[in-house]
Amino acid sequence: DVVLTQTPVSLSVTLGDQASISCRSSQSLEYSDGYTYLEWYLQKPGQSPQLLIYEVSNRFSGVPDRFIGSGSGTDFTLKISRVEPEDLGVYYCFQATHDPWTFGGGTKLELK
Amino acid sequence: EIQLQESGPGLVKPSQSLSLTCSVTGYTITSGYDWSWIRKFPGNKMEWMGYISYSGSTNYNPSLKSRISITRDTSKNQFFLQLNSVTTEDTATYYCARSDWEFDYWGQGVMVTVSS
Repeated sequence: DVVLTQTPVSLSVTLGDQASISCRSSQSLEYSDGYTYLEWYLQKPGQSPQLLIYEVSNRFSGVPDRFIGSGSGTDFTLKISRVEPEDLGVYYCFQATHDPWTFGGGTKLELK
Repeated sequence: EIQLQESGPGLVKPSQSLSLTCSVTGYTITSGYDWSWIRKFPGNKMEWMGYISYSGSTNYNPSLKSRISITRDTSKNQFFLQLNSVTTEDTATYYCARSDWEFDYWGQGVMVTVSS
């Protein structure tokens, strides 16, 4: 199975700061069709996970442009340019390139 | 608006079967997409369990392959999860979600505890 390693495990920020989360894959996530099926989800407290980013860098409908996904191959990053209160929660990277689909271990974003 | 809602017992005894229903409104499950089950264990670990496609084919996580079954009732626009021979390690919050490489719509989740 593909292992996705997220760092850091937790991240303490001040509102308005930039936050950066890394996701490293044990295998390249480029699929045979040329797409890279690496996604980012946020689970806010008491809510279901919600899709933020798909195919590395595409923001899902309604996701603010302060969320920026980047990377290729095995190394990916999610940056939040100016953290707002509604951004707090647990972030997961996820890959659907290889069966079985797998999640990263999660990064908890909290206030300093 | 597309909505998914899980339902089922919150407590299951060890060695028994866990059965959950996902009811979908706002979209017909035979029109497209895959329909997945995902679970989140106590702590942060999440696991994709498997899906049933719009055509009725299934794809399961090999870690569960001998215990899992995902089926559907197209007349009710529902799909189901059955997980056999559960242990305390199957205690988790179970989510259903619509998927097409990514999970764009999720249910609210149902917490299932495996305990005698």
